[in-house]
Amino acid sequence: DTEVTQTPKHLVMGMTNKKSLKCEQHMGHRAMYWYKQKAKKPPELMFVYSYEKLSINESVPSRFSPECPNSSLLNLHLHALQPEDSALYLCASSPGAASRRWGNTIYFGEGSWLTVV
Amino acid sequence: DAKTTQPTSMDCAEGRAANLPCNHSTISGNEYVYWYRQIHSQGPQYIIHGLKNNETNEMASLIITEDRKSSTLILPHATLRDTAVYYCIVRDLTLRANTGNQFYFGTGTSLTVIP
Repeated sequence: DTEVTQTPKHLVMGMTNKKSLKCEQHMGHRAMYWYKQKAKKPPELMFVYSYEKLSINESVPSRFSPECPNSSLLNLHLHALQPEDSALYLCASSPGAASRRWGNTIYFGEGSWLTVV
Repeated sequence: DAKTTQPTSMDCAEGRAANLPCNHSTISGNEYVYWYRQIHSQGPQYIIHGLKNNETNEMASLIITEDRKSSTLILPHATLRDTAVYYCIVRDLTLRANTGNQFYFGTGTSLTVIP
């Protein structure tokens, strides 16, 4: 089972709203990721959590706030977003340690479509 | 990280083999080659990965040249459902402590399977 579950699938929010995107995996993976993808562009890495600690922040604006409550869950808190933040937000996970078999492959969820109005 | 170069788009006739090339001329000895695809409006799907040897699974085959500077993903019998953007990524699996595994996507190849 290589499933990463993201909720909600679609979210529309105003620029003054506070909302959250949620991600869950039950594969025992210890690394989790947030990516942002605009239309017709490749996914762009935002954050990496490794063993529940934030290890990489790709200079993401503070209106995006990640949280990793435990090894299975990853949240992305959204506040005061702009219309240009409208995009597909992808969560992913990987074992967190390289192995000869799986090579630390990353598995993606189906994404949350965010529209900021 | 080593960068990859892929053609922007390709067409393939249904039922024929689709051969998707990728150049990674600056790849280092510890870097694996990964292939993912993304069907419209879905999350990227893992296809296959390899280091030196050719690899095959139920989805595809991966051919890596002896000098490892390029590779080819082969979909042996393309179907309409294989229409997607295909991404070739190289990644060092020698993990630094507590850094996770950064996967950076290039622009990919948009494959269209034609009936």
